[in-house]
Formats: sequence, structure tokens, C-alpha cells
Amino acid sequence: DTAVSQTPKYLVTQMGNDKSIKCEQNLGHDTMYWYKQDSKKFLKIMFSYNNKELIINETVPNRFSPKSPDKAHLNLHINSLELGDSAVYFCASTRRGSSYNEQFFGPGTRLTVL
Amino acid sequence: DAKTTQPTSMDCAEGRAANLPCNHSTISGNEYVYWYRQIHSQGPQYIIHGLKNNETNEMASLIITEDRKSSTLILPHATLRDTAVYYCIGNSGGSNYKLTFGKGTLLTVNP
Repeated sequence: DTAVSQTPKYLVTQMGNDKSIKCEQNLGHDTMYWYKQDSKKFLKIMFSYNNKELIINETVPNRFSPKSPDKAHLNLHINSLELGDSAVYFCASTRRGSSYNEQFFGPGTRLTVL
Repeated sequence: DAKTTQPTSMDCAEGRAANLPCNHSTISGNEYVYWYRQIHSQGPQYIIHGLKNNETNEMASLIITEDRKSSTLILPHATLRDTAVYYCIGNSGGSNYKLTFGKGTLLTVNP
């Protein structure tokens, strides 16, 4: 059973297009995240949702719009894709209120913008 | 979150213990030390965490100095599958539960 799953695994698209990445977790967690890992391998947080409410927004361009239809899902929609958006995007989840911050990560979505 | 400093890379022979150091001299009293690792092309994986006391689980041991300014992650019997980037993170949890990843240490386990 996959704990945190992402679709698609690979995404190749042209500049200017709009695309979405989906994330689902079956761990019963209430907090989900999106991270971006660029070509230099730096892993940076983008957004976090707790019970469908946005709690972290790390000055990400407003072309990126996360949406959480329920606690188990956090999707990322990107408008007007740019070359610099090429990266691996990881979804993660945790249970807020637990005594420690163990985050479970998905396998990643490799986005390539041509 | 506390700033952490780790060596860029380390090598270890298969079957030997791998000792990965981390400096976190600015860590505050309520910040835990977390260790995650990222095997090539995979998502990061939680390993262990600690506050003051040494900790051990099925994956590794964590030794935290008494002054809490540094710690060491120990993989007791490294295997080739332990080759990965290891991240040491200081985090207080709290309301945002945000992890700030640094550059980490690339551990290469050699046969």
C-alpha cells in the first residue's frame, strides 16, 4: 500500500502551458506539504495545508495554486509554466499535534518545461 | 529553525559503521534534531530524531552532545542501499511543522 502517492511521475510540457500534479495520502494525516527540489538538489518547502486550510506559503509565485479538496488530497496547479519551474516536486504529509515532526514523502513528480 | 552544518560528502566501507556528524550550535532548547535521508531519485525518508537523550531505532542511532551543539547519526552496519544524502535538521515543530533542508551529506557506501 502506497502511503503518499503522486501523479503523474513524469510531466513534460511546453512553456506557457497549465498543468496539475496530484497528491494523495492514506495515512490519516491532517497536514500536507509541497516541496520543490531544483537541479542543484536544494529541497525547499512551498506550501502546507492543515485540514484543508493553507498554513504555509513560502513566497511562491502566484502562478502556483495549491488546492486541498479534503485532508487526504493536496493538488498543485501551475499556470503559465516557465523554464525555471523544471524541478522535482515532492508531496509530504504528517500528523500535526504528534510529539514529533515525521513527514512522509511521496515519490516525486519530475516536471520538465521545454 | 536552527542552522546546521554537515560535511559535503563521506565514504564508508560496506559492513562498517557510518558516523555522520552535524553541527547545530544555534539550536534552541525546544528544537529537536531530525535526520532524514534521500536515496537517489526518491523522496526523503525520516530516520530518527532526538531532543537531549541519545536515541536508537531499527535504522540508526543518534548521539547528541550534552551541550546540544552537535550530534552524530550512526548507521551501525552500512550497506550499499544506505548510499544517500543525509540531512540533519533542527526543528521545533510547533504550529507550522516546517522542515528546512540544507545541503546534507552524501554518504557513499563502498563494497
